[in-house]
Amino acid sequence: DADVTQTPRNRITKTGKRIMLECSQTKGHDRMYWYRQDPGLGLRLIYYSFDVKDINKGEISDGYSVSRQAQAKFSLSLESAIPNQTALYFCATSDLTTPGYTFGSGTRLTVV
Amino acid sequence: AQSVTQPDIHITVSEGASLELRCNYSYGATPYLFWYVQSPGQGLQLLLKYFSGDTLVQGIKGFEAEFKRSQSSFNLRKPSVHWSDAAEYFCAVVASGGYNKLIFGAGTRLAVHP
Repeated sequence: DADVTQTPRNRITKTGKRIMLECSQTKGHDRMYWYRQDPGLGLRLIYYSFDVKDINKGEISDGYSVSRQAQAKFSLSLESAIPNQTALYFCATSDLTTPGYTFGSGTRLTVV
Repeated sequence: AQSVTQPDIHITVSEGASLELRCNYSYGATPYLFWYVQSPGQGLQLLLKYFSGDTLVQGIKGFEAEFKRSQSSFNLRKPSVHWSDAAEYFCAVVASGGYNKLIFGAGTRLAVHP
């Protein structure tokens, strides 16, 4: 099994629908992150979390929310999806003491 | 604010040719720097990282990068490119403020001609 698992891998949804992207990890890392990737823009940080009681907004959090259900689980929700949220979404984890991420395989989300 | 600039959006090289991908960062202190590679349809894989010490770091797949403080650069190099190196490459720096947040460049897409 992968160290960081994202589900679903691909999703097509309609404008206005609520959708949740899930991330779970077996690394034992306490820090978790959600990024979105758009062509020509690289990866931009949506939310990040130090532990289950610590949630922080990144540079592009509008239109998104997150839940840290346990140390190993970090979910990203789009309350009312819009077409410009079509992107590739990555979850990542990091150890407390060692910089650098372990990435999931990504979720490709299309909002029509 | 901290930032990472990858000046080249697309680069095309011939198989067997040498490669250099540019990365410039803005950061006040000694940065923690990374290069990641993303093959088509895949996630991101760590190529190499620099934290301190020797400014020339070796990574996987025959890649290396050199940290140059005076130029605020961390360029990625490979002496002989293989067709399988065609991918998108991202440079990243750890942001200040804790949490080990990474700031990524926009990426450089590498095409390899036979």
